[in-house]
Amino acid sequence: AQTVTQSQPEMSVQEAETVTLSCTYDTSENNYYLFWYKQPPSRQMILVIRQEAYKQQNATENRFSVNFQKAAKSFSLKISDSQLGDTAMYFCAFMDRGGGSNYKLTFGKGTLLTVNP
Amino acid sequence: NAGVTQTPKFQVLKTGQSMTLQCAQDMNHEYMSWYRQDPGMGLRLIHYSVGAGITDQGEVPNGYNVSRSTTEDFPLRLLSAAPSQTSVYFCASSGTVNTEAFFGQGTRLTVV
Repeated sequence: AQTVTQSQPEMSVQEAETVTLSCTYDTSENNYYLFWYKQPPSRQMILVIRQEAYKQQNATENRFSVNFQKAAKSFSLKISDSQLGDTAMYFCAFMDRGGGSNYKLTFGKGTLLTVNP
Repeated sequence: NAGVTQTPKFQVLKTGQSMTLQCAQDMNHEYMSWYRQDPGMGLRLIHYSVGAGITDQGEVPNGYNVSRSTTEDFPLRLLSAAPSQTSVYFCASSGTVNTEAFFGQGTRLTVV
């Protein structure tokens, strides 16, 4: 079974600074997908960024970027120019290639990020 | 766009009662799933479906039933509520296995 580990239960950062959230995973699959989801106090789950394992290039979405190290099974999220609205719980998630009847998205336990003014 | 709609948003049950959490999506998505979120545990998969008539168990299926008679609806049934089922429940759907999962607003369930 796949596992996803987020080793930082809580982090804080000053507004406008950069912060990196860590995520490691364990799998025997070669083709898979990785995601970062954000959950603000409203409780809504929002996709931040997505990475396909067969792509070497790290994904970026505006101020959000990932450092994907396939051999190390590491998938960290970097948030640049942090904003107060980035305050949220962040979840790393793993999906294997699926197909057939398989559709299991596995989440880490989350990192609570607080952006301070 | 309605997206994924969950009802109710809040519910209090007594131990032993049964109830159904409703989930509907209007995006014609094949893939749907139910998660529970507990403090310090992240989201854990309860059941999922890859299409109408097809369901399977996730990580924590005990005490829950699902069915998928239509593409749009994926209800979650609690057969006999227990305090251990106190949690926030999320329904999600996606068009393909590797694309974004869209989540409902969640249901906060308390079993007393």
